[in-house]
Amino acid sequence: EPEVTQTPSHQVTQMGQEVILRCVPISNHLYFYWYRQILGQKVEFLVSFYNNEISEKSEIFDDQFSVERPDGSNFTLKIRSTKLEDSAMYFCASSRTGGSNEKLFFGSGTQLSVL
Amino acid sequence: GENVEQHPSTLSVQEGDSAVIKCTYSDSASNYFPWYKQELGKRPQLIIDIRSNVGEKKDQRIAVTLNKTAKHFSLHITETQPEDSAVYFCAASKAYRGTDKLIFGTGTRLQVFP
Repeated sequence: EPEVTQTPSHQVTQMGQEVILRCVPISNHLYFYWYRQILGQKVEFLVSFYNNEISEKSEIFDDQFSVERPDGSNFTLKIRSTKLEDSAMYFCASSRTGGSNEKLFFGSGTQLSVL
Repeated sequence: GENVEQHPSTLSVQEGDSAVIKCTYSDSASNYFPWYKQELGKRPQLIIDIRSNVGEKKDQRIAVTLNKTAKHFSLHITETQPEDSAVYFCAASKAYRGTDKLIFGTGTRLQVFP
């Protein structure tokens, strides 16, 4: 079964540094998402992306965050200047098309630790 | 704002017993309700979902019910097994055009004791 893949699985960075989290969505999927999960808490929506632009973003997704689809396969999340509270598991997700019949598939996550 | 409440936060059952997890959503426009199972350190995995035009859906030992009037939905696991032990998240979304964001509940840690 096709899977959403994410790299790296773990990322350790110093506060104030930039990080880029990478995702390869399932190949025929058109809608892409980033979610995050702080340890022991629920999964939270960050941003959705379709047709090379952001469809929706949450209040968490401030000016320090950006997303990009640099080529036909990758989908990236950049955090410009990391803060301690950015430490979390970041999940990429994708779905095939829009509409109420489509399921969301999650990647295996990138554990970001900001020191 | 949009909110999904989930209860209980932890649930312990004996192997073979049933487990029920309940969620309530705030946005009456929500029309899609998936359930995810997350094992420690792993990705959330979709186990079952239900749409607002259906009241109940079953897949082997797992069933989900939806009460649109009361804005709540429940996950039922029968004949529980130790491998059912995980954190379960309910979610809700309004997927009219495009796949809208999922609003997750706070999770239920299910432990099944042999």
